[in-house]
Amino acid sequence: SQTIHQWPATLVQPVGSPLSLECTVEGTSNPNLYWYRQAAGRGLQLLFYSVGIGQISSEVPQNLSASRPQDRQFILSSKKLLLSDSGFYLCAWSVAGVGSYEQYFGPGTRLTVT
Amino acid sequence: QQPVQSPQAVILREGEDAVINCSSSKALYSVHWYRQKHGEAPVFLMILLKGGEQKGHEKISASFNEKKQQSSLYLTASQLSYSGTYFCGSSPLAGNQFYFGTGTSLTVIP
Repeated sequence: SQTIHQWPATLVQPVGSPLSLECTVEGTSNPNLYWYRQAAGRGLQLLFYSVGIGQISSEVPQNLSASRPQDRQFILSSKKLLLSDSGFYLCAWSVAGVGSYEQYFGPGTRLTVT
Repeated sequence: QQPVQSPQAVILREGEDAVINCSSSKALYSVHWYRQKHGEAPVFLMILLKGGEQKGHEKISASFNEKKQQSSLYLTASQLSYSGTYFCGSSPLAGNQFYFGTGTSLTVIP
């Protein structure tokens, strides 16, 4: 069966510090991978998605970046965090295809920038 | 790109019915529905691929009007466990992007 892992679960970082969140998927190959951010009490904002190793599409211009160094690994990074980066970060995967497959979410990382 | 949902919030008594609507300004390939409990990740409920197709999951069903680019989620005989925030999600006809709707908070009270 497929499993998706995210870490850390919670993170408190000062403004201006770097960020690295990692997401890994087990039990499937060549998945579509997604990073979402959810501000408190708000909806899910698509940040990045990837259809393969090294293939990253950005949805929102910001100080975040993403990388996919391996087929089942997706990393979200920032060189300098802003207060507005606080939120609940969710990684998700789906079977490769044009939007016809459900998304499975990791447990999420709750980031607080102070 | 983000679908718009209505209502924003609804409170129900156990056993009552509810309808949540989702509308997109873009042509859609598919519509998904998810439920998110407070502090947790969203959980997939169902997917609709064809215009007009209705699918069901226990007492929860949904419809997809491809021409109007709209979908509706129907919750019948609501249970306390139905409480949470419901999101529709849509994928445009081209591309692998996926956009979640604005969300509908549903609270079921005894």
